[in-house]
Amino acid sequence: KAGVTQTPRYLIKTRGQQVTLSCSPISGHRSVSWYQQTPGQGLQFLFEYFSETQRNKGNFPGRFSGRQFSNSRSEMNVSTLELGDSALYLCASSQESSGNEQFFGPGTRLTVL
Amino acid sequence: GDSVTQMEGPVTLSEEAFLTINCTYTATGYPSLFWYVQYPGEGLQLLLKATKADDKGSNKGFEATYRKETTSFHLEKGSVQVSDSAVYFCALGFSGGSYIPTFGRGTSLIVHP
Repeated sequence: KAGVTQTPRYLIKTRGQQVTLSCSPISGHRSVSWYQQTPGQGLQFLFEYFSETQRNKGNFPGRFSGRQFSNSRSEMNVSTLELGDSALYLCASSQESSGNEQFFGPGTRLTVL
Repeated sequence: GDSVTQMEGPVTLSEEAFLTINCTYTATGYPSLFWYVQYPGEGLQLLLKATKADDKGSNKGFEATYRKETTSFHLEKGSVQVSDSAVYFCALGFSGGSYIPTFGRGTSLIVHP
């Protein structure tokens, strides 16, 4: 089975812009979660989607949003980028629940200048 | 709320040394416990897991035993290699339904030849 794929792998944006990141889960996995990873804050949960519905949300401002399509592919969007949004954004998929073992993609490295 | 506490890193060892990375948790109920590993430039990957008390997870020479009495899930390896250099994350989760998984802050392991 192909693993979790994320595109793009690297992204450079400037403050105030918006960005969309994409994630394709493992075939058959219906749960997709997004995380932000930074050296200072570690791994922080953004949100989880299951069957096209947001099932869980972490403590992030409304500038962070996401969606899931009928084929389980997911996108996350960050609007009005701030310098502090520079991070590695990881997508993870699991069969039914993020509480089970998760399979992570390689991440998208976002740099905000 | 639920929490996972890992020992602070970095842990620096010589090749063939014995490794222990401590992990303790706080949770209501009986979670599943996981160790994930993140190699440089990559996403996290599941290293091992245990789903109930006294279970031992093992993979690639790494082991961890689910200890309910001490709420611990310490990671051990008898003889580390340079290729084991990575960041290790302890995590807990509950299967089924909506649950936000809880990750530790990660422990960096550096193995010298």
